[in-house]
Amino acid sequence: GAVVSQHPSRVICKSGTSVKIECRSLDFQATTMFWYRQFPKQSLMLMATSNEGSKATYEQGVEKDKFLINHASLTLSTLTVTSAHPEDSSFYICSARGGYKQGNTEAFFGQGTRLTVV
Amino acid sequence: AQSVAQPEDQVNVAEGNPLTVKCTYSVSGNPYLFWYVQYPNRGLQFLLKYITGDNLVKGSYGFEAEFNKSQTSFHLKKPSALVSDSALYFCAVRDATNAGKSTFGDGTTLTVKP
Repeated sequence: GAVVSQHPSRVICKSGTSVKIECRSLDFQATTMFWYRQFPKQSLMLMATSNEGSKATYEQGVEKDKFLINHASLTLSTLTVTSAHPEDSSFYICSARGGYKQGNTEAFFGQGTRLTVV
Repeated sequence: AQSVAQPEDQVNVAEGNPLTVKCTYSVSGNPYLFWYVQYPNRGLQFLLKYITGDNLVKGSYGFEAEFNKSQTSFHLKKPSALVSDSALYFCAVRDATNAGKSTFGDGTTLTVKP
């Protein structure tokens, strides 16, 4: 399958600072990228969907100004957690999917980022 | 609207025995169905998908799944479980006409005991 690289895999930051997480599709063009948050022993919570070159669509209850998503190119999307607080500590996962015309139906996932805010 | 149900939080099987992880779905149109596996502190790995064609789909690591339209199910199966199959499994569905997001089930933890 296609490869999606997410970086960093782990990050510890101080409360009030911002953290940027990168998601790259290495061998395909990702027209759509998704950002999820996963709590321990729970399913994926979709935060937002982004299409290259346009603004992200956020799910209900997700703060746009806190979780900034940029999808500047067909291979890169970033999630910036601004003014992080301890309650933002979580496992964040990105996924990427190619275009429908390319026959790409499934999404491929990054390795995840464990964010700890202290 | 689309939804997925994984009725079992936990499935336990003995190594060498067959395993089944259940999934039922609901979509308004034709479904695209997916299974993913997640190991601790890792992202999800794609296992297999049903788009169209044969109802029995074969995927990675010896897993297969059967699409049953009348029962709106897509159960994951493997003839002989391995201890290394122990992980968290997610079923997902997307309407074939929907270019947007997939909906994931709550996940089923599979434990294979030696």
